[in-house]
Amino acid sequence: GAVVSQHPSRVICKSGTSVKIECRSLDFQATTMFWYRQFPKQSLMLMATSNEGSKATYEQGVEKDKFLINHASLTLSTLTVTSAHPEDSSFYICSDRLAGTDTQYFGPGTRLTVL
Amino acid sequence: KQEVTQIPAALSVPEGENLVLNCSFTDSAIYNLQWFRQDPGKGLTSLLLIQSSQREQTSGRLNASLDKSSGRSTLYIAASQPGDSATYLCAVLSNSGTYKYIFGTGTRLKVLA
Repeated sequence: GAVVSQHPSRVICKSGTSVKIECRSLDFQATTMFWYRQFPKQSLMLMATSNEGSKATYEQGVEKDKFLINHASLTLSTLTVTSAHPEDSSFYICSDRLAGTDTQYFGPGTRLTVL
Repeated sequence: KQEVTQIPAALSVPEGENLVLNCSFTDSAIYNLQWFRQDPGKGLTSLLLIQSSQREQTSGRLNASLDKSSGRSTLYIAASQPGDSATYLCAVLSNSGTYKYIFGTGTRLKVLA
């Protein structure tokens, strides 16, 4: 399957700081990428859909001003957690979608711990 | 609203057993259903993807079936091994308005040596 990379794989930060997570589509140009969040012992929940060249579409209950998404190129989407707090500690996973197909490929995830 | 449920939530079996993991979903309007494996603290590994028009998919010791009309899928693991220990997630790609994967809560499998 296609390869999706995420960077960093894990990050620990102090409360109040901002953290940027990168998601790269390595095998094809992805006009659409997705950001999911997984709290401990819970399943993945879609946060937002990232569209190249336009604003992201956020799921209900996800604060767009807190979770900033930028999809400036066809191979890179970034998620910035602004003013992170301990309750934002979670596992963040991105995926990309091959245009014209229903297939999504998932990245390895980023573990965020906010102290 | 699509909801995905997995039963059992946890399962512990001796090595060598054949086992079945269940996934049910409430809305049959799906593009596909996918089974994933997740090791502790790790990302997702795609195991099998079944398109809505398909009935089953096989890969090695794994076989997944899909009954879209009844909203059910099963993942069959033959001759389980300790290395199969992980959390197994099923996810459906909804085609009723919003294009997104809805994940189940997973089945935590432990295969004892």
